[in-house]
Amino acid sequence: AQSVAQPEDQVNVAEGNPLTVKCTYSVSGNPYLFWYVQYPNRGLQFLLKYITGDNLVKGSYGFEAEFNKSQTSFHLKKPSALVSDSALYFCAADNYGQNFVFGPGTRLSVLP
Amino acid sequence: GAVVSQHPSWVICKSGTSVKIECRSLDFQATTMFWYRQFPKQSLMLMATSNEGSKATYEQGVEKDKFLINHASLTLSTLTVTSAHPEDSSFYICSAQASGRYNEQFFGPGTRLTVL
Repeated sequence: AQSVAQPEDQVNVAEGNPLTVKCTYSVSGNPYLFWYVQYPNRGLQFLLKYITGDNLVKGSYGFEAEFNKSQTSFHLKKPSALVSDSALYFCAADNYGQNFVFGPGTRLSVLP
Repeated sequence: GAVVSQHPSWVICKSGTSVKIECRSLDFQATTMFWYRQFPKQSLMLMATSNEGSKATYEQGVEKDKFLINHASLTLSTLTVTSAHPEDSSFYICSAQASGRYNEQFFGPGTRLTVL
C-alpha cells in the first residue's frame, strides 16, 4: 500500500533555531511530493512541492525541503523558526494524479 | 489565483437533519474536486473524488447515500450530509484540481460541522 509517514507527532523548537519536520514516503514510481501547513480550524495552505530537478526546493514563508530518492525522504526545513510557524504540517505524495496520500501530520511548536 | 472557497465555514445542526456544504473554485475551472474529512488531531481522509458531470467515486468505507456529492459545474461541487448524526461531526475540506494541472490541488478553507 502506498503511504506517507511522518515519524514525529510533535516537534518543539526554540524561536530562532533551525527546524526540521521529517517525511518519508512509500509510493511507487516517481511521485510528486508536497508540504502543506494547517493553522487551527483552517484549511490547508500549500508550502512547496517537488516535481523534478533540484533536490532542494524552496517554498513559502522561508521553508524549504530536501528530496532524497535513496532514502525516500522529503524533510521540511527552515533555518530560523518563528513563533508564527507553530501549526500542523502535512506531507503528501501524488502518484501521477492517481492517488493523493497524506501523512498523519506533525504538530510544530515554536517556543518564544 | 487558484482560490477555492467553502460555504458555510461553520455549521451546527440537529441530529437527523441534512447539511449541504459548497465548494467553489473562484478563478479557475476544476474538472475534479475532492472531499476530505479530518477528525481531531488526525490527518485528512479522502472521502470521494468527483468529476464534473459524472458520479463521484467514493473511497472504501464511505457511505455514498450518506454523503451525497454533486459536481454540476466546473466551479462548484456540493457535499450533502444526509440525516446527520453526532458522529458525523468533523472538519470537511474540499480541494479542486485545475484542468490540465492534475498534479496540484488547491484546498478550500474547510467547514466545521457540529451535529447536536
